[in-house]
Amino acid sequence: GAGVSQSPSNKVTEKGKDVELRCDPISGHTALYWYRQSLGQGLEFLIYFQGNSAPDKSGLPSDRFSAERTGGSVSTLTIQRTQQEDSAVYLCASSLGGPGSNQPQHFGDGTRLSIL
Amino acid sequence: DQQVKQNSPSLSVQEGRISILNCDYTNSMFDYFLWYKKYPAEGPTFLISISSIKDKNEDGRFTVFLNKSAKHLSLHIVPSQPGDSAVYFCAASYNTNAGKSTFGDGTTLTVKP
Repeated sequence: GAGVSQSPSNKVTEKGKDVELRCDPISGHTALYWYRQSLGQGLEFLIYFQGNSAPDKSGLPSDRFSAERTGGSVSTLTIQRTQQEDSAVYLCASSLGGPGSNQPQHFGDGTRLSIL
Repeated sequence: DQQVKQNSPSLSVQEGRISILNCDYTNSMFDYFLWYKKYPAEGPTFLISISSIKDKNEDGRFTVFLNKSAKHLSLHIVPSQPGDSAVYFCAASYNTNAGKSTFGDGTTLTVKP
């Protein structure tokens, strides 16, 4: 399809393990965003990429969280030594253009992460 | 401190009537506002937006109103349809904020047939 693709759609893992979440943005979209939605909460901004660089990492909750983007396309969000409070739906979005372009974000369906 | 607030967690309306979803913000630097709609187990989808230079934007059954002095925006859906039942998120951004949007917690709209 032509939309934002995230994998896996669901991930269950034990506390302390590392997890890697993947996002394939819409082709040609230069901006890529990661959000987290905990149960009953709104969307919490994590990190934003413009091309391969991340001008804004202010939302990453701790140094256990990191993200990278390669080739201006695929992005991976890595959570090391997972904790139960990391359980949430992790959403990726992409948009055509970055700051000031006022382009809406197109979201994937998210990865539902459950930490046992 | 939450910069974008949707004070009504839920709203129920009858099919054919108007649905009004409200959103308040505190950051006067916000200059672009968006509404997203989210169905269960899916990501949010963009619905409609408005720039701070306007006070109204209309797209079919959806109209967004912006009152900058009150730091308030609203989404009107008329007539409401059962397929409109979803969670609606208000989001706001400003040019120098690295493109990041700040989202409200959402309002769950239920349209009853």
